[in-house]
Amino acid sequence: AQKVTQAQTEISVVEKEDVTLDCVYETRDTTYYLFWYKQPPSGELVFLIRRNSFDEQNEISGRYSWNFQKSTSSFNFTITASQVVDSAVYFCALRGDSWGKFQFGAGTQVVVTP
Amino acid sequence: EAGVTQFPSHSVIEKGQTVTLRCDPISGHDNLYWYRRVMGKEIKFLLHFVKESKQDESGMPNNRFLAERTGGTYSTLKVQPAELEDSGVYFCASSQGGTGGEQYFGPGTRLTVT
Repeated sequence: AQKVTQAQTEISVVEKEDVTLDCVYETRDTTYYLFWYKQPPSGELVFLIRRNSFDEQNEISGRYSWNFQKSTSSFNFTITASQVVDSAVYFCALRGDSWGKFQFGAGTQVVVTP
Repeated sequence: EAGVTQFPSHSVIEKGQTVTLRCDPISGHDNLYWYRRVMGKEIKFLLHFVKESKQDESGMPNNRFLAERTGGTYSTLKVQPAELEDSGVYFCASSQGGTGGEQYFGPGTRLTVT
């Protein structure tokens, strides 16, 4: 069975602070994909990143960075120098290579105050 | 190229009424997925169409939910009769080709059952 755990329900930070969102996953598939999506107050899901299970390189995109560690089954996401526009719910998700549906985590609400 | 569209964006109905949600996938995408997020919980898979056929409907909560995909184009999700616990945001996603293809999400339909 596949499972994604986002243990942090809500994180509140002051603008310019860094924030790290944890994601731990379980799967028996040897090939799988991990994703992060952002859901701003407007409600749509915004794709942030996809990593496959064979690529453990960390990635940085502007103020966003991701740390993928297969040894601990984690795919953590860090926002550096947070801004008010980063306030949203962030979802981590898992998808196997042989099945199309996503397994989402419960989401982490990030609140950034000025 | 138009993205995935969903209609309506918001629906408020009374318990016992019927509601039909519509999803128009990206043109040419054979795969269409429905997901649901109940308030504060994870986004859960409902079902997966490949063209007009149901590939996986393991996430459908009960027989009050009926999904169809006419001619392999748009899809509808009917809830009849609606219950309070059906309230949430219903997302549709589509992808091209096999199950490993990138999924593009629509903006969601927020359903409120009173």
